[in-house]
Amino acid sequence: DVKVTQSSRYLVKRTGEKVFLECVQDMDHENMFWYRQDPGLGLRLIYFSYDVKMKEKGDIPEGYSVSREKKERFSLILESASTNQTSMYLCASSSSHRAVRGEQFFGPGTRLTVL
Amino acid sequence: GENVGLHLPTLSVQEGDNSIINCAYSNSASDYFIWYKQESGKGPQFIIDIRSNMDKRQGQRVTVLLNKTVKHLSLQIAATQPGDSAVYFCADISSGSARQLTFGSGTQLTVLP
Repeated sequence: DVKVTQSSRYLVKRTGEKVFLECVQDMDHENMFWYRQDPGLGLRLIYFSYDVKMKEKGDIPEGYSVSREKKERFSLILESASTNQTSMYLCASSSSHRAVRGEQFFGPGTRLTVL
Repeated sequence: GENVGLHLPTLSVQEGDNSIINCAYSNSASDYFIWYKQESGKGPQFIIDIRSNMDKRQGQRVTVLLNKTVKHLSLQIAATQPGDSAVYFCADISSGSARQLTFGSGTQLTVLP
């Protein structure tokens, strides 16, 4: 089974702090994604990556950056956390073959609270 | 703007009954439509997909129907069980969007004993 793990289940940070969210997948997938999930809004794509050192903006990249130095790891960075970034953050991965059909494997999520 | 996912926010069904979860979409260029299930405290899990040139696809206890004329997608769950209680999202992937999924807002399915 594919396993996608995220570094923290719950995180509390203060406004202005730099925040790192880490995601690791163990199935050698080419594609990795970061979403945020808010009530009534579904999942919104922040950034994604097709390959090591490659990144593409999603629908809501403002205030975020990403890093993919190794194939199995995709990091989401909040350079200066703000209260409107309080949310559930979900990481996902997919092989190129399965990505065509929209099949992604999700981690359990990190609930981030910014005070 | 949103391409998919005009959901009713909640749906309650009796255990053993069939469930139908509906979704409307607006993007005619979608290649695939997908249903995901998200249980409490977990990430979404892929259930089933349907290609845009199909009308119906069946899986284990689930059937997805696609009506391109009215741009409507539905997920039918047969003999609903307590373990089916979750939020269900429809999503689409469009030609040229390079593997980018667009999710709807989701429907919370509650199975009543």
